[in-house]
Amino acid sequence: SQQGEEDPQALSIQEGENATMNCSYKTSINNLQWYRQNSGRGLVHLILIRSNEREKHSGRLRVTLDTSKKSSSLLITASRAADTASYFCATDVRAAGNKLTFGGGTRVLVKP
Amino acid sequence: EPEVTQTPSHQVTQMGQEVILRCVPISNHLYFYWYRQILGQKVEFLVSFYNNEISEKSEIFDDQFSVERPDGSNFTLKIRSTKLEDSAMYFCASTRLAGLNNEQFFGPGTRLTVL
Repeated sequence: SQQGEEDPQALSIQEGENATMNCSYKTSINNLQWYRQNSGRGLVHLILIRSNEREKHSGRLRVTLDTSKKSSSLLITASRAADTASYFCATDVRAAGNKLTFGGGTRVLVKP
Repeated sequence: EPEVTQTPSHQVTQMGQEVILRCVPISNHLYFYWYRQILGQKVEFLVSFYNNEISEKSEIFDDQFSVERPDGSNFTLKIRSTKLEDSAMYFCASTRLAGLNNEQFFGPGTRLTVL
C-alpha cells in the first residue's frame, strides 16, 4: 500500500452510531494529521497526533496512533448528519521537508 | 479564528494561458505550501516555501510552475502556460512550526478549469 492509505474507502452509518476509519503508512513519521473535506470544498484540519503520542481526543473525535504497526484510527462518536464528508489522513514523513502525503480518503455517509 | 484565504474560488482559462492563484496564509505562519487535487484523486504536494525560497518541490512542479511571496502577506502560484491536465483544485496551506507540530491549515481552494 502507499503512504497514508485509509480503510474502508466508504462507510455508511445511522445518525448516533460511531464511525471508525483506519490509516496505514509505510515510513517513519513526525506526525499524522486527519482532515475532513465536504464535497468539492476545502480541507478542514481535525487533529494532529505526534509520533510520540498514542491517543488524542478532540470533542467527539478520538485518534490513536500505533507506530509499531504504522497505523492510525479515527473514531467519530455519536455521529451526526453533518459529519457526512470524506476523511483523509496525511502523514508528515521524517526527512521529507514537512510536506504532507495524503491517503485516498474514507467517504462517510451519516443517514438521519 | 485566523484562516488561510484563497482567491479566486474558481478560475476558468484557455489552454496555454497564464494563471496566478493567490493565497493569504495565516499571519504568523512561516511555512507555506501548495497542493492540488485532481477531481476524484488524492491531494498531492506541489511545493513548500520557507524564508523566501522553495524548500522542496514535487515532480509535478516543473518549469511551468512558480511561486512567489511578493509582500508580507500574499503567496502566489503561477502556471505559465496551462494544460488541460492542470485542471484541479489547488490548495494553499500554511504552518507556524516544522517538525513534530507541523499542523498545516488549508485554504478553501481555487478550482482551476482549463478549456
